[in-house]
Amino acid sequence: AQSVSQHNHHVILSEAASLELGCNYSYGGTVNLFWYVQYPGQHLQLLLKYFSGDPLVKGIKGFEAEFIKSKFSFNLRKPSVQWSDTAEYFCAVLTGGGNKLTFGTGTQLKVEL
Amino acid sequence: GAGVSQTPSNKVTEKGKYVELRCDPISGHTALYWYRQSLGQGPEFLIYFQGTGAADDSGLPNDRFFAVRPEGSVSTLKIQRTERGDSAVYLCASSLSSLAETQYFGPGTRLLVL
Repeated sequence: AQSVSQHNHHVILSEAASLELGCNYSYGGTVNLFWYVQYPGQHLQLLLKYFSGDPLVKGIKGFEAEFIKSKFSFNLRKPSVQWSDTAEYFCAVLTGGGNKLTFGTGTQLKVEL
Repeated sequence: GAGVSQTPSNKVTEKGKYVELRCDPISGHTALYWYRQSLGQGPEFLIYFQGTGAADDSGLPNDRFFAVRPEGSVSTLKIQRTERGDSAVYLCASSLSSLAETQYFGPGTRLLVL
């Protein structure tokens, strides 16, 4: 069965610090990769996705992620975080028939002023 | 509608009772998904519909759980003889089709079984 690992469960950063959240998946075939974000009191929203092509994907609000196939990784990055980035971040993989998302356990990010 | 909607937003029930959770997908989306999110975990897949039919129900934990989508739009997740372990947030998502499309999530229904 596919699995997704997010190594950092809780991250605390100061504003303007750089962010990198790790995500590794176990599936060896063709994958579609996603990062979703859940702001406090809101529902899951798509941050960015990788389907094919350029492995460096840019998303909303200055986020980007790099797909490294040899490392089975899809790490999320942002050069300078803001207080408003405080949220829970989920990495997810869409596999096989393309109808089922497998999520990681999430990373709770807190950005302090 | 503008997004996926789910009702009720919160549901409190007693152990052994029956509950129904409703999902209204984005208009025009043919694929609909149900996930369950327990505290401290990511969402876990339950079932997926393509049109009116359940194309994959491999995530349903047992036969107390059942879902329908009779007209290919609104879906209802039904839980019989609820147990305390069923307490979780139940999420619905929809996508334009079922082939490697982005899934858009609703706000979820928070179910508490006492």
